[in-house]
Amino acid sequence: SAVISQKPSRDICQRGTSLTIQCQVDSQVTMMFWYRQQPGQSLTLIATANQGSEATYESGFVIDKFPISRPNLTFSTLTVSNMSPEDSSIYLCSVGTSSTGELFFGEGSRLTVL
Amino acid sequence: AQSVAQPEDQVNVAEGNPLTVKCTYSVSGNPYLFWYVQYPNRGLQFLLKYITGDNLVKGSYGFEAEFNKSQTSFHLKKPSALVSDSALYFCAVRDINSGNTPLVFGKGTRLSVIA
Repeated sequence: SAVISQKPSRDICQRGTSLTIQCQVDSQVTMMFWYRQQPGQSLTLIATANQGSEATYESGFVIDKFPISRPNLTFSTLTVSNMSPEDSSIYLCSVGTSSTGELFFGEGSRLTVL
Repeated sequence: AQSVAQPEDQVNVAEGNPLTVKCTYSVSGNPYLFWYVQYPNRGLQFLLKYITGDNLVKGSYGFEAEFNKSQTSFHLKKPSALVSDSALYFCAVRDINSGNTPLVFGKGTRLSVIA
């Protein structure tokens, strides 16, 4: 299994500001994804973080709003830009090592935008 | 496209009774299927998976799930529920032909075990 550390674990942010979430994994992983979990909802995939290249975004998510970096096989960041109250969610980093394997999740970053 | 349906938002069961949390899936090929549990203010924890082989798979905390290809189902079960099993449960799927792709999750089912 992989141990994933996400920072911050929670934050309260002002409208219009940006926040960067970090995801650090204790081993090299092939796959790294960012999910969003809005209050009382399921997980929605934001993007696949690609090592050394631009992330692959799902429909409804754009790079200007959610820029992602993945400089190596153990680290990624997700920035939530120009935040509004609708961005209040839990943001989850997820990693995997093979197509047959499960994904491992960080504890999540709970953002509240006022 | 892949999808997962969890038809029940909430399942209530008395402690000591068997529990079932339902999941059906849709994929173009054959599925890899997963169950996760989420406790309050925590991330997702992996419970079990079906990749191939025996249709009945056993996982963590006494949970098991049965893969039924004809019914495209992968229901989560436990013979005797504990109050500590109360949590949010997610079923997820990946098409085996899709390579290293993310999982698609169901909407979740909240399990409440009553003492």
